[in-house]
Amino acid sequence: AQSVTQLGSHVSVSEGALVLLRCNYSSSVPPYLFWYVQYPNQGLQLLLKYTTGATLVKGINGFEAEFKKSETSFHLTKPSAHMSDAAEYFCAVSLNTGFQKLVFGTGTRLLVSP
Amino acid sequence: GAVVSQHPSRVICKSGTSVKIECRSLDFQATTMFWYRQFPKQSLMLMATSNEGSKATYEQGVEKDKFLINHASLTLSTLTVTSAHPEDSSFYICSARQRGGGNTEAFFGQGTRLTVV
Repeated sequence: AQSVTQLGSHVSVSEGALVLLRCNYSSSVPPYLFWYVQYPNQGLQLLLKYTTGATLVKGINGFEAEFKKSETSFHLTKPSAHMSDAAEYFCAVSLNTGFQKLVFGTGTRLLVSP
Repeated sequence: GAVVSQHPSRVICKSGTSVKIECRSLDFQATTMFWYRQFPKQSLMLMATSNEGSKATYEQGVEKDKFLINHASLTLSTLTVTSAHPEDSSFYICSARQRGGGNTEAFFGQGTRLTVV
């Protein structure tokens, strides 16, 4: 069975600073990996996803993530935080044999201070 | 991108009544729809998976008779919370997978905040 671990329920950064949100997964088969963002009282918006191919994935709003199989990680980064990046971020995994259900991590709330 | 519309966005109901939440794929056909529940400050927990024209598959611990799911067409799935109680108050989110081979993304609705009083 798959599982996702997000280290840190809260991450605080200053505006302009590097954003690093950590995600580790476990899966018995090669996974599909996703990062979603959720603003208060809203659904989830896909930031980026890894399926196959290039392990460095670029997404929307300047975010990117790198799939590291040896470390079973898929950390999300952004070089320079904006105030508008403050939100809840979820890492998720699914099996790559067809689109199976998503298993979500517990989420990380990103706080951005001026 | 594909759009999933969820309605209503907020609903308040009395204990003992039933509430229906709709999830529509507006510009694509959805072979599979997923229903999630999110408790305050927690992650999303999958409740059930529904495929058009067949019965939903419920996750362990989810009462199928309480959370009725219907996926009658390729663009509409409904979740009915029957005989709602205050402990059913939560944020419910649907997602839909686009029909077509090789599609790896599910699109999410904006969620429904259910409050049972």
